[in-house]
Amino acid sequence: QVQLQESGPGLVKPSETLSLTCAVSGDSISSLKWWNWVRQPPGKGLEWIGEIYHDGTTNYNPSLRSRVTMSLDNSNNQFSLRLTSVTATDTAVYYCASRNIAPTGTGGAFDIWGHGTMVTVSS
Amino acid sequence: SYDLTQPPSVSVSPGQTASITCSGDKLGDKYASWYQQKPGQSPVLVIYHDNKRPSGIPERFSGSNSGSTATLTISGTQAIDEADYYCQAWDTRVVFGGGTKLTVL
Repeated sequence: QVQLQESGPGLVKPSETLSLTCAVSGDSISSLKWWNWVRQPPGKGLEWIGEIYHDGTTNYNPSLRSRVTMSLDNSNNQFSLRLTSVTATDTAVYYCASRNIAPTGTGGAFDIWGHGTMVTVSS
Repeated sequence: SYDLTQPPSVSVSPGQTASITCSGDKLGDKYASWYQQKPGQSPVLVIYHDNKRPSGIPERFSGSNSGSTATLTISGTQAIDEADYYCQAWDTRVVFGGGTKLTVL
């Protein structure tokens, strides 16, 4: 059973960098999946942040591209998110999720989601 | 940028059919997916590739996509189906709709 687990600080100060990690179990980050970050501000909808493939290729939301970096940690089977210069508008539940592009997968839809981690930006 | 538009809310009586729409430019030329999210929980995939159900999703969930509109249909809606529903497509990047709150009353 594939599971994703987010980890990282729950509180980040304005102008600082938000860093989160997603540990993958039951699958390899080298599989035919894009590894994603999605966030959800309190009471609002889902916002896609970006994704990374096992070869290091990334796609980012244009609205966040200048502040986002994603990376892979193959030795620990996990991937990470860095979001710089955060403000209160970055306060949200951050989810990691996989987008399955395998021939027998979900055609690029998000098949597995982590439980999410709440990150608050406040001094 | 590419946008997907959903109605903010839809209401349905138990046992009736609920339809939630998702509109986007030439959406029918892309694949649409749908996610169910209950309060305090992570989203769950209920429809992918316009009309396919993942393992474990009840048959009462179905989908269609043509022209500029994708539709999620829930037949015989139950109280447990009350949730927020999000459509999603890919157009040079991942795009989510704004979400629809389904109320079963």
